[in-house]
Amino acid sequence: AQSVTQPDIHITVSEGASLELRCNYSYGATPYLFWYVQSPGQGLQLLLKYFSGDTLVQGIKGFEAEFKRSQSSFNLRKPSVHWSDAAEYFCAVGAVVNTGFQKLVFGTGTRLLVSP
Amino acid sequence: GAVVSQHPSWVICKSGTSVKIECRSLDFQATTMFWYRQFPKQSLMLMATSNEGSKATYEQGVEKDKFLINHASLTLSTLTVTSAHPEDSSFYICSARSGGDINPYEQYFGPGTRLTVT
Repeated sequence: AQSVTQPDIHITVSEGASLELRCNYSYGATPYLFWYVQSPGQGLQLLLKYFSGDTLVQGIKGFEAEFKRSQSSFNLRKPSVHWSDAAEYFCAVGAVVNTGFQKLVFGTGTRLLVSP
Repeated sequence: GAVVSQHPSWVICKSGTSVKIECRSLDFQATTMFWYRQFPKQSLMLMATSNEGSKATYEQGVEKDKFLINHASLTLSTLTVTSAHPEDSSFYICSARSGGDINPYEQYFGPGTRLTVT
């Protein structure tokens, strides 16, 4: 079955420092991969997505992610973190269930804390 | 574009009553809508998937008689929590998919509804 692992529950980064959030997926075929951000009490905002083409994907707010098939990873990066980036980040993979529906399978999330 | 709204944003109800949450796609036609539940500091758990005019497909372990989903039009889906109990208190998020998207997994998320059952 398709699954997503985000090994880091919490990460604290100093403002201005670089950031990398890890995501590993399990999927038999070429995956559709997403990164979402959620601020407290809010819905999810799409940061970026990958389903084909260039394995380095650029997203909004200065984020990027790299798809590495050999490592089954889709890590999210940002060169310089801003205090406003503090939020919960979710990695997700698109999956087809046995009913034929296409759904998203989410990781457990990584909470990013930004220190001054 | 691709805006999804939810109403209400938060609701408090008494145990035993029912509460309805609306999910609307404001600028596109949503052929499929999804309802998620999120417990504090946890990930999103898919509850059900619904296509316009069809019965919803519920995930394993989700009580379909308790969580009634109606996708009556291409812009509106409702989730009714019947006979709510305190354990139903949660953050409910809907998302919608447009039939015109090339990416079959593209979903647009609503802002969520905080339900508290007292």
